Amino acid sequence: DAKTTQPNSMESNEEEPVHLPCNHSTISGTDYIHWYRQLPSQGPEYVIHGLTSNVNNRMASLAIAEDRKSSTLILHRATLRDAAVYYCIPRIRNTDKLIFGTGTRLQVFP
Amino acid sequence: GAVVSQHPSWVICKSGTSVKIECRSLDFQATTMFWYRQFPKQSLMLMATSNEGSKATYEQGVEKDKFLINHASLTLSTLTVTSAHPEDSSFYICSAPRSGLWGSNQPQHFGDGTRLSIL
Repeated sequence: DAKTTQPNSMESNEEEPVHLPCNHSTISGTDYIHWYRQLPSQGPEYVIHGLTSNVNNRMASLAIAEDRKSSTLILHRATLRDAAVYYCIPRIRNTDKLIFGTGTRLQVFP
Repeated sequence: GAVVSQHPSWVICKSGTSVKIECRSLDFQATTMFWYRQFPKQSLMLMATSNEGSKATYEQGVEKDKFLINHASLTLSTLTVTSAHPEDSSFYICSAPRSGLWGSNQPQHFGDGTRLSIL
């Protein structure tokens, strides 16, 4: 399984953009990069995923480095509800398994 | 959207009791479901893969006789913690990908978790 490295924690003020980095230098060429987040006392929820191109959805944007060894989750305007632990997970092709790393705890201040 | 439901949300019971946790996919079929557990301030740890109609696949170090998994239908998997002890107290979470949407390009749907406290 590809290893990931994420900052333990990050802080943001409300309505400011947040860039959450993830290094996954051992990722294989066919692994998708998935991002999930976990709010306190809840199960994780899907945020976004991509393979090579940058991706946008209603929750966030995902910027993937050209060499695919890193990616950045972008929250364009953080809200208090975005306070959560964010997990970057390279997802192995042909398997549904998700192996969680330690993630980044995002704090959002009013 | 797709929803995965877990029941109960939390349970408190005496040491030695067996506890069953249910995981249901509400609007889609799931031939595979996953069970995780999470200790306070730690990440999720994958325990096992639940396979509809066949035996579960356990991750290394997880006791299959301790954590019994049954996946008898396409919408229900159960995890039974047998003869639970205080060290089994944890947050148990299930997840499921939609069947038929094969491959690592599909998101997974998680339940809201079951908080188990063994006295």
